[in-house]
Formats: sequence, C-alpha cells, structure tokens
Amino acid sequence: AQTVTQSQPEMSVQEAETVTLSCTYDTSESDYYLFWYKQPPSRQMILVIRQEAYKQQNATENRFSVNFQKAAKSFSLKISDSQLGDAAMYFCAWGNGNKLVFGAGTILRVKS
Amino acid sequence: NAGVMQNPRHLVRRRGQEARLRCSPMKGHSHVYWYRQLPEEGLKFMVYLQKENIIDESGMPKERFSAEFPKEGPSILRIQQVVRGDSAAYFCASSPDIQETQYFGPGTRLLVL
Repeated sequence: AQTVTQSQPEMSVQEAETVTLSCTYDTSESDYYLFWYKQPPSRQMILVIRQEAYKQQNATENRFSVNFQKAAKSFSLKISDSQLGDAAMYFCAWGNGNKLVFGAGTILRVKS
Repeated sequence: NAGVMQNPRHLVRRRGQEARLRCSPMKGHSHVYWYRQLPEEGLKFMVYLQKENIIDESGMPKERFSAEFPKEGPSILRIQQVVRGDSAAYFCASSPDIQETQYFGPGTRLLVL
C-alpha cells in the first residue's frame, strides 16, 4: 500500500524568508504523480504544484518549487519570499490516477 | 469556467437519518473522486467514479455508504443511518481524464448530532 509521511506537524517562517516542507512516500508503482495542496482556514483544497515521477526536472510555480529525489522517495516543497497569505495547512499527496493518498499535513505559520 | 461545486456546504443530521451530498464536477470533467477529512487529519480516499461507473471504491465503508455518478446530474454520496463518527468534511474532486490533476470543491461539513 502507498503511504505518505510528513514529519513536520508545524513550521514557522518569517515573512520574506524561505521555508522547506518535507515529505516522503512509499510506493511500488512506477507510474505516479506527486502533489502539494494548500488548505487555508477556509478549508478549500488548493493545488500548489504537481510533479510527474518520470520527469527528472523539478517542478516550479512562481515562488514554489520542489526537490524531487525519486530514489530516496522524497518530495519537499520550498516556498521562497514567504507571504502572510501562505499561512495554511500543506498536504503532500501521491497519485496514480485512481486516487490520491495524502500525508497528515504540515501547518505553516508566517510571522510578520 | 466554474469550479467544482458541492452542496450543501453544511449539513446537520441526527443519528439514524440519511445524508446526501452532491458534487457537480468542472465542465468537461468526467472523473469524480470523493474524500473524507476527519478533524485534524489529512484527506482519505473513498471512491472514484466515471460517468455511470464506479471504478474504485476501496476506501468506502462497505455498509451505509454508497456513491453514484449518473449520466445526467451531479455525483451523489449517500450515507444511510448516520452515526456520530460520520461527522467530517467530505470533499469532491474532478479531473478531465485519468492521471490528470484533481481539482477540489469547497467540501461539505457534515455534523451528526
């Protein structure tokens, strides 16, 4: 069975600084996708970034980038120039088309 | 292009009643997924449907829960004889095809008294 582990229950970052959220996963499948979703207090699930496992190049979306280490089954999210609006719960997820498997989440607090 | 729609946003039921949760996918999306989020936890997969077909229901309890996605109309998640443990946020997501990104609705918060 697939599992996703987020070892940091909570993280804090100063506004304009950089923070990295950790995620590891376990799967025996060769074709899969990885995601980071953000859940603000409104509880809406918002896609942050997506990475195809077959791609070696790390995905980037504006201030958000990932460090995908396939052999180590690691998928961390780096947020640069942190903003107050980045404060939320962040979920790492593994997907194969049939379903997404989510980690337990990391609460990110942004200090002004 | 409207996003994924879910209604109601909040639903209160007494133990033993039925709960019906509706999900309208994004335009052009024929794949629908349901997830449940218990308080202070991540989302857990329940069921994956394409039009008129259940593809994967491995995460859905065998009793009291059912899901459908008819040819016309929204997808429905139905919970019969609700119990307090069913209190949770239920999220629907849709995608245009398999292995495409899933986009989530705002969720339905179910409270069982």
